[in-house]
Amino acid sequence: EADIYQTPRYLVIGTGKKITLECSQTMGHDKMYWYQQDPGMELHLIHYSYGVNSTEKGDLSSESTVSRIRTEHFPLTLESARPSHTSQYLCASTPQGISYNEQFFGPGTRLTVL
Amino acid sequence: GNSVTQMEGPVTLSEEAFLTINCTYTATGYPSLFWYVQYPGEGLQLLLKATKADDKGSNKGFEATYRKETTSFHLEKGSVQVSDSAVYFCALSATGGFKTIFGAGTRLFVKA
Repeated sequence: EADIYQTPRYLVIGTGKKITLECSQTMGHDKMYWYQQDPGMELHLIHYSYGVNSTEKGDLSSESTVSRIRTEHFPLTLESARPSHTSQYLCASTPQGISYNEQFFGPGTRLTVL
Repeated sequence: GNSVTQMEGPVTLSEEAFLTINCTYTATGYPSLFWYVQYPGEGLQLLLKATKADDKGSNKGFEATYRKETTSFHLEKGSVQVSDSAVYFCALSATGGFKTIFGAGTRLFVKA
């Protein structure tokens, strides 16, 4: 059973607010990812990390930022939320030492910006 | 570049019907192939995987065979249940690669 957590599960905020979406995993995985999932269900990689102090932008341009100060923690921050940021955000991690990159997902945060 | 194409949904079936969701891929080398499932209100979870050609992944009555000659990894189940209603994603990862490439997802509705 994978142990990866996201908080909050649901968030409704006004335009211009700063928000941080939390993601934590207790499995010691080095690789972590953030995906944005649109209403059509498609997943878009927005950030990833190889390990502590490593962050990279993904395939979809995003105004969010991430940090990786501890192995288990990979928060995503929006400095000034806008309605276009309304989406489902999924965090995932992958164990090291295997070649096939199986991903373990958190339950997601559904963000609504009014 | 690598890509995954899967059958568009939604797919609507009656309980106990046979399910096939088609998935084809484009990749160099020998990627690993996956099916993930997403139940309402949840994140994705791995359903099954195959890491080399001709491997068959199976779990919970679902099966998929890695066909390199047709670059396919179709998902099948002999008798679906209402509880199988979910979104199914086909995915690939290059050997030693860092990213996973996901298909667009196929929504399945199973009626009682």
